[in-house]
Amino acid sequence: DAKTTQPPSMDCAEGRAANLPCNHSTISGNEYVYWYRQIHSQGPQYIIHGLKNNETNEMASLIITEDRKSSTLILPHATLRDTAVYYCIVRGETGRRALTFGSGTRLQVQP
Amino acid sequence: GAVVSQHPSRVICKSGTSVKIECRSLDFQATTMFWYRQFPKQSLMLMATSNEGSKATYEQGVEKDKFLINHASLTLSTLTVTSAHPEDSSFYICSARDPYKGAKETQYFGPGTRLLVL
Repeated sequence: DAKTTQPPSMDCAEGRAANLPCNHSTISGNEYVYWYRQIHSQGPQYIIHGLKNNETNEMASLIITEDRKSSTLILPHATLRDTAVYYCIVRGETGRRALTFGSGTRLQVQP
Repeated sequence: GAVVSQHPSRVICKSGTSVKIECRSLDFQATTMFWYRQFPKQSLMLMATSNEGSKATYEQGVEKDKFLINHASLTLSTLTVTSAHPEDSSFYICSARDPYKGAKETQYFGPGTRLLVL
């Protein structure tokens, strides 16, 4: 699985968009970008994933650059409940293997 | 979405005792389950992969005789920490894979079990 790089922490004002970047310059053609988050003392929660097109669901949007070497997770209107550690994970589209978690980005949403 | 439960949510035990943690997939059959461990202020680290009906595959550095994994049914995997010591105190999280869901939401995570060994 390709290595990912994320900033260790970010702050965001409540109600504003939170844009979380992820670099994955060694991503290969068949690898997807997944985003999970972990709220304190809970198990990780799936957010979104994509291959090369931008994706949107009820939780977030995922913007992947054309060269696929980086992506941005967008929480359009952050709330205090979005305070969590966000993990960007790159891997192939098989669920047979475990996910490899890096150190993620700790997002603090401020009131 | 699919639900994975863990029991107990937290446990305190004396050093030298064994602790069993259950991981259940509530509305799907999980052919594969994963066990992770997370120490304070650190990320999740994979301990082992549990496949229904076969032996678990352990990651390097994880003692298979200390962390016994049983995946006897498609909805239940158990992790037993044998002869627990204070350094085993951690947050144990399982995840389960729904083979019929394909890649999307490949794994569903349980809420975690916090183990404190005194």
